[in-house]
Amino acid sequence: DAGITQSPRHKVTETGTPVTLRCHQTENHRYMYWYRQDPGHGLRLIHYSYGVKDTDKGEVSDGYSVSRSKTEDFLLTLESATSSQTSVYFCAISELGTANTGELFFGEGSRLTVL
Amino acid sequence: GQNIDQPTEMTATEGAIVQINCTYQTSGFNGLFWYQQHAGEAPTFLSYNVLDGLEEKGRFSSFLSRSKGYSYLLLKELQMKDSASYLCAVRDGPGSYIPTFGRGTSLIVHP
Repeated sequence: DAGITQSPRHKVTETGTPVTLRCHQTENHRYMYWYRQDPGHGLRLIHYSYGVKDTDKGEVSDGYSVSRSKTEDFLLTLESATSSQTSVYFCAISELGTANTGELFFGEGSRLTVL
Repeated sequence: GQNIDQPTEMTATEGAIVQINCTYQTSGFNGLFWYQQHAGEAPTFLSYNVLDGLEEKGRFSSFLSRSKGYSYLLLKELQMKDSASYLCAVRDGPGSYIPTFGRGTSLIVHP
């Protein structure tokens, strides 16, 4: 299994507070992603990174920001949490090359509840 | 944009065979993935297709027809532990490395 950990695994917070989720990998994979998963919507891409300090928006990026200062860490920040951001957040990593297909390896997920 | 369709839910009997379909409409194509996700857990990679045809991996097989924008995941000799959601994901365009996921198919296996 790919070495990828998320923290915190569970968090309850109040509307308007800032929240940061951390994703840490030990695989030295170039690409990192943050998805959210909600019933009826499946996995939706929030932001992704293709290298240190190189990030871009996904389809549901409003209200979220990210940073990647080191290869191994990818942070997702909710500047001011809203109830609509209650979700399960998954970090994923991938690598491309002749030896692999670029499949995603997922962290265990972070369940966020915004009251 | 992309449109990826899968049935929402399927049921099957232990020991049987089930086929989960996925259709997609994308501006380009650079590979299709199937993932398995048990309740409360992270998705895990099952299979990858980029060329037309069947890829077999033990009890699981995945088929792709690029001209039809169609794939299926075939699960044989179903076991209770196969009860899970199955996610179809597509990468579009040359050089694309980011998959877009369908909403997933929840498979329930009955004794």
